[in-house]
Amino acid sequence: GAVVSQHPSWVICKSGTSVKIECRSLDFQATTMFWYRQFPKQSLMLMATSNEGSKATYEQGVEKDKFLINHASLTLSTLTVTSAHPEDSSFYICSAKAWGSNQPQHFGDGTRLSIL
Amino acid sequence: GQQLNQSPQSMFIQEGEDVSMNCTSSSIFNTWLWYKQDPGEGPVLLIALYKAGELTSNGRLTAQFGITRKDSFLNISASIPSDVGIYFCAGQLGSGGSNYKLTFGKGTLLTVNP
Repeated sequence: GAVVSQHPSWVICKSGTSVKIECRSLDFQATTMFWYRQFPKQSLMLMATSNEGSKATYEQGVEKDKFLINHASLTLSTLTVTSAHPEDSSFYICSAKAWGSNQPQHFGDGTRLSIL
Repeated sequence: GQQLNQSPQSMFIQEGEDVSMNCTSSSIFNTWLWYKQDPGEGPVLLIALYKAGELTSNGRLTAQFGITRKDSFLNISASIPSDVGIYFCAGQLGSGGSNYKLTFGKGTLLTVNP
């Protein structure tokens, strides 16, 4: 159980393109989803927290107009990197959490984004 | 803000050996989690700890939630080559809203020589 699917697993695109990444909880309802960014050989850096039906809460230094997050249902959240540039190239990982303090975050397999 | 100190940063061991890694925090967490991440993949939950003093096992893995709520350790017994990867500890403050956010350690890179 507790499967989180992230799509696509990798994407290469030209500078200026907008890229959408999907995160789905396959076998549970995710009241909260999180988006992380991970640089090589580093830990995960939280970008934003999204609750179903609400606006996302962004961490300090993360541009909300650059990284658009939508969490329209209990099983799907999307992250759109708008007008991506090479410095946005990174490994983006989502996680999903069911309601309740004793429910852990389960992670997707990540999306490798490369902007040329 | 809260910070987690995870050690060791890396370990090189022989197959069959036991491994221990730990995390300490400058402040209290109410949940401790241990994840393993393989290259190019997302972290996989190994063990979740919800109560101070709790000792939980998952196969060859054992983790404990420190009684002070400021530390946790993970032990791996009789290591095998597929244990290779990066192990992360993570602390969660509590319930509701931003308290569900995880604070991650910097990871322990484990290499197992067959």
